[in-house]
Amino acid sequence: SQQGEEDPQALSIQEGENATMNCSYKTSINNLQWYRQNSGRGLVHLILIRSNEREKHSGRLRVTLDTSKKSSSLLITASRAADTASYFCAPGRPSGSRLTFGEGTQLTVNP
Amino acid sequence: DAGVIQSPRHEVTEMGQEVTLRCKPISGHNSLFWYRQTMMRGLELLIYFNNNVPIDDSGMPEDRFSAKMPNASFSTLKIQPSEPRDSAVYFCASSFGGGGEDTQYFGPGTRLTVL
Repeated sequence: SQQGEEDPQALSIQEGENATMNCSYKTSINNLQWYRQNSGRGLVHLILIRSNEREKHSGRLRVTLDTSKKSSSLLITASRAADTASYFCAPGRPSGSRLTFGEGTQLTVNP
Repeated sequence: DAGVIQSPRHEVTEMGQEVTLRCKPISGHNSLFWYRQTMMRGLELLIYFNNNVPIDDSGMPEDRFSAKMPNASFSTLKIQPSEPRDSAVYFCASSFGGGGEDTQYFGPGTRLTVL
């Protein structure tokens, strides 16, 4: 399969806590992207990490990538109720293939 | 700059009727994707176009589904005849570039209900 697999399937935390979601994939990549989907809305691109990067930050988001383990993690610090959404990872491969999405992690942040 | 535009946002129809969903990609993007999302099956890629040419339609469930992209700024997904199991949210997305590493930008979706 070319898609990423997110883990856990569901995560419930309290506001203010950190949320960590993991992604595993099977083949070589050029980059790995994380997307968020709020209920009833389209996916929104959050952050992209290239295969030669190990860590990337964007606001309260921190993404790590371990190409030797074919895995990535997304950390959301100081979570807010508005972070409640589904989060998807998408391994980006060279031209000729296409971005694919897995089942996602459903994050619930309780106020 | 406007994002991906989809219409209609909601569609309710009766079984057997023809349904046409429309999408306007972001200007300058040359790849367009149609997805279907349901609770049971998650997000499924139906078809994608590069430079207006269908590249992979292996996700189109059956002959009742067809998609066209007559020009770089417009695409349609048609279901004829529609069935209750087609009820889902249909998303259109576009990207700059035809590679598998390009960021996709999603529209707001069309929620289709077939009675």
